[in-house]
Formats: sequence, structure tokens, C-alpha cells
Amino acid sequence: NAGVTQTPKFQVLKTGQSMTLQCAQDMNHEYMSWYRQDPGMGLRLIHYSVGAGITDQGEVPNGYNVSRSTTEDFPLRLLSAAPSQTSVYFCASRFLKGSNTEAFFGQGTRLTVV
Amino acid sequence: AQKITQTQPGMFVQEKEAVTLDCTYDTSDQSYGLFWYKQPSSGEMIFLIYQGSYDEQNATEGRYSLNFQKARKSANLVISASQLGDSAMYFCAMRERDDMRFGAGTRLTVKP
Repeated sequence: NAGVTQTPKFQVLKTGQSMTLQCAQDMNHEYMSWYRQDPGMGLRLIHYSVGAGITDQGEVPNGYNVSRSTTEDFPLRLLSAAPSQTSVYFCASRFLKGSNTEAFFGQGTRLTVV
Repeated sequence: AQKITQTQPGMFVQEKEAVTLDCTYDTSDQSYGLFWYKQPSSGEMIFLIYQGSYDEQNATEGRYSLNFQKARKSANLVISASQLGDSAMYFCAMRERDDMRFGAGTRLTVKP
């Protein structure tokens, strides 16, 4: 069971470049989300999706785009990278219904923008 | 507005002793879930324990227990008999409706 798979694990970008962080899950979870983790700020929600074709903004959506064309995949696009987007990015997924619906996390992507 | 507050950036505990990590939350919803995750130095997020807002008993999972005080809106994590492997970042999280929000985390260091 692969769970939640994120690629790449590490990435260095130049300011202004664009890139896509990939996230795939094989647990048939309806809900998928992206967080960024910065020191002293915990994990902040960027975007989330409750099913294919449905996305919504979280706390810090500016500079990021998402789409959800399939249940399995939820890519995060950086349109024009800025040094402020240097962070560790986590993708997470879970079942939507049910009270005890823990989120499963990918291994994270460490992104540096220079 | 910050919905999850963890007021202890760092905590130290002696091996084999118990430690409490604080978490307070803010919500006007009646139905919500509270979670604790552990993040060791390797970086992965590990689910520890869950408490539903309608659960009358405090959740327990092995050495982890959640001290849920609904009126105070607090959901403190208690780790009993600390082990060296418990040294990590600990995050409190709350799920309202669809999304899940996290606190800033507490770094726990277990001393031998």
C-alpha cells in the first residue's frame, strides 16, 4: 500500500520559475489537501478538495493553483516562484465522512526558491 | 484568527516521567474533531490520537491520552512514561466541517 506519494522530495527553483508538486493517493479518499510548514507557524492550509472537480482555498492560497481531475491526484502548481514560498510542503488525504477521519500525509517536499 | 493555539514552543521532560502538551482551540461549531500528530526529525507526520466533540470520555491510545475539557476548549495531550523516542514536534489539529487546521506545534525533548 503506497498511501500518499509526493514528488519530488527536494526541489530548488529560481525566482519566477513555475513548477508542479505532485501528490497521489491510492486509498480512494475523497478529501485531499496541501499544507506548507514553516518554522514557528505549524502547518498552514493552502488548498483543499472534497472530490474530483471541486477545490477550495485554505488559509494561504495566494501564488498557488490546484486542480482535481481524478480522485487519486491533486497537483499543486506554483505559478511564479518567490523566495517567500521556500517551505516544506505536505499533501494529505482522508475519507470525507465519518467522525474519526484521520488525515494521511505524504513524506513532504522541501522547496527552496533562490 | 488563530483557531488552534499551542502556547509551549518547547518542552523538556525526564525519561519515564509524564508530560502534558497544551492545546486550546476556537470554534463556534458543535461538531468538530481534535487530533494530535507527531513529527520526528525524519519529517513524517504520524497520527497519535483523536477526540470527537461529542465524545464524553477522554480518548486514550497506549501511552497517549487526550485531556478534553470542552467548556474550556482545551485538548491537551498527555504522554505517560516518556521515552527517548518521544522527542519530536507535536501538533494539535482541529477539523471543522471539511478542512483541518493545525497549531504551531510544541517541540518535546526527552532527557535521559
